Amino acid sequence: NAGVTQTPKFQVLKTGQSMTLQCAQDMNHNSMYWYRQDPGMGLRLIYYSASEGTTDKGEVPNGYNVSRLNKREFSLRLESAAPSQTSVYFCASSEAGGTTGELFFGEGSRLTVL
Amino acid sequence: GQSLEQPSEVTAVEGAIVQINCTYQTSGFYGLSWYQQHDGGAPTFLSYNGLDGLEETGRFSSFLSRSDSYGYLLLQELQMKDSASYFCAVRLLIYNQGGKLIFGQGTELSVKP
Repeated sequence: NAGVTQTPKFQVLKTGQSMTLQCAQDMNHNSMYWYRQDPGMGLRLIYYSASEGTTDKGEVPNGYNVSRLNKREFSLRLESAAPSQTSVYFCASSEAGGTTGELFFGEGSRLTVL
Repeated sequence: GQSLEQPSEVTAVEGAIVQINCTYQTSGFYGLSWYQQHDGGAPTFLSYNGLDGLEETGRFSSFLSRSDSYGYLLLQELQMKDSASYFCAVRLLIYNQGGKLIFGQGTELSVKP
């Protein structure tokens, strides 16, 4: 059972470069999320998608864009990476509306921007 | 805005009971969740309180008081493997869009022999 799969797991970028983090889930969940976690910090919501075809900003959306490609896939794009975007990025999914408060997380993508 | 507060660190001994508190100030509150994270790995779900009161799942229990904007996670019979970060998370209700979860900054639990 794959659950939530994120790629890549590690990435090093130079300032100004762009990249896309990919996320796919195989649990037929409607809702998907992107969080970032900085050292010693909690998870901060970047964007989320309540259902296929919808996306909405979270707490820290600046510098990011997202695409809900289909029900399974939700990608996060950094158009012009900055050192402040060095972080661990987690993708998550849940049943519609997260009615039980349960999110299923991927293993994370560790991004360093030099 | 939304804010959640929880202690940054808690230390306890093996076999003991520990309580991790969480207070929140949010709009559109729907419920409170708790997550565990080991060494920066994937957070894993522990429990959810949609209603006031106590929810019990094995050694872990969680409590919610909506009137006090307060909840806690209770860990009993602590084991070394319980050493981890614990996060409370508020589920916000957004009309016709489902809920999104906002996380607290986490409590680092250290279990000593």
